[in-house]
Order: sequence, then C-alpha cells, then structure tokens
Amino acid sequence: DAGVIQSPRHEVTEMGQEVTLRCKPISGHNSLFWYRQTMMRGLELLIYFNNNVPIDDSGMPEDRFSAKMPNASFSTLKIQPSEPRDSAVYFCASSLADRGHGYTFGSGTRLTVV
Amino acid sequence: GESVGLHLPTLSVQEGDNSIINCAYSNSASDYFIWYKQESGKGPQFIIDIRSNMDKRQGQRVTVLLNKTVKHLSLQIAATQPGDSAVYFCASTGAGSYQLTFGKGTKLSVIP
Repeated sequence: DAGVIQSPRHEVTEMGQEVTLRCKPISGHNSLFWYRQTMMRGLELLIYFNNNVPIDDSGMPEDRFSAKMPNASFSTLKIQPSEPRDSAVYFCASSLADRGHGYTFGSGTRLTVV
Repeated sequence: GESVGLHLPTLSVQEGDNSIINCAYSNSASDYFIWYKQESGKGPQFIIDIRSNMDKRQGQRVTVLLNKTVKHLSLQIAATQPGDSAVYFCASTGAGSYQLTFGKGTKLSVIP
C-alpha cells in the first residue's frame, strides 16, 4: 500500500496565480480530509468528504479556496487567486468509516506564495 | 482545537529514559483519541489510539493513558530512542463525527 499520495511535494507560485493541490487516498477509504498546517495555527481542518461528498467545508478560509472529489481515488484543493498568507503545508488524510483504524496522512504539499 | 503557536512545548530526554507527553482536551463529548508523531518534512503518523471506554492501552514501547474525569491524555514512550525525536500531537473526535481536533504539539528531543 503506497499510502496517501499528494502532489506536488513543493509548490512556489506568485501571488495571484492559481494553485492546485492533488491527493490520492488509500484505496477503500471512504473519508478524505484536507488540513493546513502553519506555525501560528497548527493543524486546521479545511474540508472533509465522505463517500466523495463534501460534508463540512466550514474550515475553508474563503471563496478563494475550493475542493473537489470527482471519484473515490482523487481529490483536489484549489486556491485562486493565491496570496502570500496561504503559504503553509497542506495535508490530505483518508480513513475508513469505522474510525477504528485512525487516519492516514500524506506527506503534504509545502506551498509558498511570493 | 488548540493552535500550536510560535513556540512548541519542548521535552528533552536522555536516550534510554522514559518519556511522558501530556495533552488536555476540552470537549467532554470526545470518545476517540489518537496520538500522532510528526517528523520534520513529513505528515503526521499514527502511533496509537484509545476509545473512551478504556483508560489504558499499550503498544510497542508506547502506552496511552486516558483520564476522562480531568480530560487528560498522556503518551508514554519507554526506552526513548533518537528516532523518537519528533513533534507529537494528540487528536480527538466525538461520537458520530469523523473530524479530528488536534491539540497542541509537543516537540520531543532525545539526547544521545
């Protein structure tokens, strides 16, 4: 099992540009989460999907952020337009419905907006 | 969940000693707790979990203790090794919810 796969690992972009982060959850997991980690705020839940359906997006900072899960094996987090304050590490995690197995995180995408 | 802030609590231990990392949670409805280890440049990695109907659970070199009365969780690492150096987070979730709330991280530094 390759685990949760995120791409790219690092992204440097200019302010105002569109950024798309990608995630492939573990096969068979039906819950998927996007988290953001910064030194100031730690780990924050942005959005979570259950069976490909967005259940709670209350953590999404503003309309510039959007997330999709077109199928059980792929999700994207898009920022348009990006701003320097969006610089952070973005993690994707997936889990089985029964929660007994915990959550598996990907290695993250380090986003730097200059 | 609580924010990590600019300065993480740090615990320094000598190699071979036991480590105890503490965590307080605020939601009395939380019923499932997880400890994660995060090494530099990596995502949080599952270490051990415990449900609210238990007060202790042991794994390999790790033990989690849960005190629901005071809403306190601890992670004990036996015979701490240099490879244990990382930031450790506790996380919790409530009944019927899949959303994790992360607590403040603690940075563990192991002195060889």
